[in-house]
Amino acid sequence: GAVVSQHPSWVICKSGTSVKIECRSLDFQATTMFWYRQFPKQSLMLMATSNEGSKATYEQGVEKDKFLINHASLTLSTLTVTSAHPEDSSFYICSAKGLAGINEQFFGPGTRLTVL
Amino acid sequence: AQSVTQPDIHITVSEGASLELRCNYSYGATPYLFWYVQSPGQGLQLLLKYFSGDTLVQGIKGFEAEFKRSQSSFNLRKPSVHWSDAAEYFCAVAVAFGNEKLTFGTGTRLTIIP
Repeated sequence: GAVVSQHPSWVICKSGTSVKIECRSLDFQATTMFWYRQFPKQSLMLMATSNEGSKATYEQGVEKDKFLINHASLTLSTLTVTSAHPEDSSFYICSAKGLAGINEQFFGPGTRLTVL
Repeated sequence: AQSVTQPDIHITVSEGASLELRCNYSYGATPYLFWYVQSPGQGLQLLLKYFSGDTLVQGIKGFEAEFKRSQSSFNLRKPSVHWSDAAEYFCAVAVAFGNEKLTFGTGTRLTIIP
């Protein structure tokens, strides 16, 4: 149980376009989802925290107008990278935390974004 | 702010040998500590966690970790590694139960040689 999926697993786009990444909790309801960014050979950096039905909370230094997060349901959160540029190329990982009693983040497999 | 240090970027061990991955944290109070493993194409998997109680924590896949408050450490150990243990290992800290925001170390890449 506690499976989190991400779609797509990899995406290549042109500079200036927008890309949407989906994060789904497949077998549990996720009250909170987290979005991380991981650069090659580096750690995961938390970008934002989203709670179902409310606005996401962004970490300092993360542009909320560039990285739009929507958590419309208890099983789905989306990250949209708007007007993507090559410096946005990275590995994006989501995690989900369930309702009370499941005090653990479950991670998706990640999405590799390459902006040309 | 809390921080996590993993001093070893890359470790190579022989299959069957013992393993210890180091993790040091910086935080004023008792943190909540985690070890995750990341394999290519797979999401981070939780190996074990420490919230309170017994400072020696048993995890999955034969891993264990020991919380040492005096050394601000939470080192991961395994008595005998298998080739399938080759992966990237991350130590992480959360500062408030319920907040659940994780701060990760930079990771240690483990290579297993036959």
